[in-house]
Amino acid sequence: KNQVEQSPQSLIILEGKNCTLQCNYTVSPFSNLRWYKQDTGRGPVSLTIMTFSENTKSNGRYTATLDADTKQSSLHITASQLSDSASYICVVSASAGTASKLTFGTGTRLQVTL
Amino acid sequence: GAGVSQSPSNKVTEKGKDVELRCDPISGHTALYWYRQSLGQGLEFLIYFQGNSAPDKSGLPSDRFSAERTGGSVSTLTIQRTQQEDSAVYLCASSLAGGRGGRPQGTQYFGPGTRLTVL
Repeated sequence: KNQVEQSPQSLIILEGKNCTLQCNYTVSPFSNLRWYKQDTGRGPVSLTIMTFSENTKSNGRYTATLDADTKQSSLHITASQLSDSASYICVVSASAGTASKLTFGTGTRLQVTL
Repeated sequence: GAGVSQSPSNKVTEKGKDVELRCDPISGHTALYWYRQSLGQGLEFLIYFQGNSAPDKSGLPSDRFSAERTGGSVSTLTIQRTQQEDSAVYLCASSLAGGRGGRPQGTQYFGPGTRLTVL
């Protein structure tokens, strides 16, 4: 069964600090992995998309890594800001990426405080 | 440009009533998806529309759930005889179709969701 597990479930950090969110998956055959940011009460917004051949991808202060051998991904947030407070969702797509083969993690809820 | 919009933003209904949720995708996006997000759970795929092709309904949890997409644009998700376990946020997303066989490859852009509460 395809599964995506994220850790930690929640995280509180001080503004300006860095943090790393983890995503482990057992999805096959792998097509791509995406990280989304979901603000409270809003729909998810795409941060990065990585295919099998990509090890790292950056989007501003967000850097995602992918290890297709160990089936792990991480999202690193640098110099966190209050606006980074949100849920971060890892989504893994199997084969050609049809909607029915997208597997979503339950997300990591990040809170950035002063 | 305008993103994906959904209405209503919140809906409270009595058990047994029917509800309709609306999604307006981004103009030009041929692929449209409905998802459900229950409290503390991941996103659950419900149904996928791609152009004029028959929709992928494999994620619909029961025959009380149905969806239409008129004119390749606006979509309506209908839940009949609502149950308390239907309470969730219903998210709509759209994307540009691409890739071989018409399968979607692009990023999905999500709407803000409709929070449904069944009393």
